[in-house]
Amino acid sequence: GAVVSQHPSRVICKSGTSVKIECRSLDFQATTMFWYRQFPKQSLMLMATSNEGSKATYEQGVEKDKFLINHASLTLSTLTVTSAHPEDSSFYICSARAQRGYTGELFFGEGSRLTVL
Amino acid sequence: AQSVTQLDSHVSVSEGTPVLLRCNYSSSYSPSLFWYVQHPNKGLQLLLKYTSAATLVKGINGFEAEFKKSETSFHLTKPSAHMSDAAEYFCAAPTTTSGTYKYIFGTGTRLKVLA
Repeated sequence: GAVVSQHPSRVICKSGTSVKIECRSLDFQATTMFWYRQFPKQSLMLMATSNEGSKATYEQGVEKDKFLINHASLTLSTLTVTSAHPEDSSFYICSARAQRGYTGELFFGEGSRLTVL
Repeated sequence: AQSVTQLDSHVSVSEGTPVLLRCNYSSSYSPSLFWYVQHPNKGLQLLLKYTSAATLVKGINGFEAEFKKSETSFHLTKPSAHMSDAAEYFCAAPTTTSGTYKYIFGTGTRLKVLA
């Protein structure tokens, strides 16, 4: 199957700093990438949908200025948590939908655990 | 599908016994449906998918699921549980909302396998 690489897997930062998480589709081109947040023992909460070359579509309640998403190419999307605070600590997961060759399934990165001190 | 519902938040089975994880969907048309597995601190891995071909779908690691339109169900089964099957399982379906393609996830079922 297709591979999505997410980096870093773990990051610890101080309150007020910004953190960037990368999501790359390694062996396919992704029409769309999705960013999720997952709280302990809960399902995935969709934060935003990004399409290459266009602005991300954010879900209701997700702050655009807090969670900056850039989808510069068909293989790379980034999520930047700006001015992070302890309440932003969470597990963030990206996924990608292939441009062709698959029947709609999403491929997921391994996730990034963010801890804000 | 407009929604997917996982009926059990936790399921416990003994090693070697069958596994049944339940998922129901609501849709006005024949949907695509997926099962994913998530191990602790990991992303989601696709187990199997239904895309309106055969109603009985076989996936990885011995899992299979049967699409039953009359029951609007897509339950995940495995004949014999293994310790390594302990994980969180998500039923999911794509949908389009206001022209945006996205996935709907169930709330997840945590499978515990007892020795």
